[in-house]
Amino acid sequence: DIQMTQSPSTLSASVGDRVTITCRASQSISSWLAWYQLKPGNAPKLLIYEASSLEGGVPSRFTGSGSGTEFTLTIIGLQPDDFATYYCQQYNSYPFTFGQGTKLEIK
Amino acid sequence: QVQLVQSGVEVKKFGASVKVSCKASGYTFTNYGITWVRQAPGQGLEWMAWISTYNGNTNYAQNLQGRLTLTTDTSTSTAYMELRSLISDDTAVYYCARLRGYHFLHPFDVWGQGTVVTVSS
Repeated sequence: DIQMTQSPSTLSASVGDRVTITCRASQSISSWLAWYQLKPGNAPKLLIYEASSLEGGVPSRFTGSGSGTEFTLTIIGLQPDDFATYYCQQYNSYPFTFGQGTKLEIK
Repeated sequence: QVQLVQSGVEVKKFGASVKVSCKASGYTFTNYGITWVRQAPGQGLEWMAWISTYNGNTNYAQNLQGRLTLTTDTSTSTAYMELRSLISDDTAVYYCARLRGYHFLHPFDVWGQGTVVTVSS
């Protein structure tokens, strides 16, 4: 199985900040990586797919990068609505696997 | 609009079975795979399984193999997830989601609202 290691597990930031979350795969997954946002009581929301493609309707302050085994999600200019938990997920092969999640908290 | 609507809250006894439905609308059901993901209280997301809505092929997470069965009813555009021999660790919110295509190499682009399953003794 491909292991996905996400860091940090918790991130404290302020409105307007720039933040970066890192995701590392235990073996190459090319660009078959997605980022999801999860808020309590809501279903996960797809933000980024194929490592760097922005899902329709997602604000451009979200950007994804990377390939192979190293990936990042960057949010530039945090908004109050962005405080949530973020997960990376590989869909290169079964079993699909998620990172442990990064909780983005208000500082 | 494209949506997945899941069945409601379930409370089950230890050792029982649960069957959760996921009804699709707004798109051609058989053109996209369906996957299931769960989140236990205080835990992260866990992928459970995938099913082809086209021919019923499946792929299960190894830790659930033998207890989990995915099915579909193409006449009603509905997917089902049945989990048997429930244990306390199965207490979670269960989500269905649509793959953007048939198989792997596609992200999960549409999600159901989630179904809370509680297992009690």
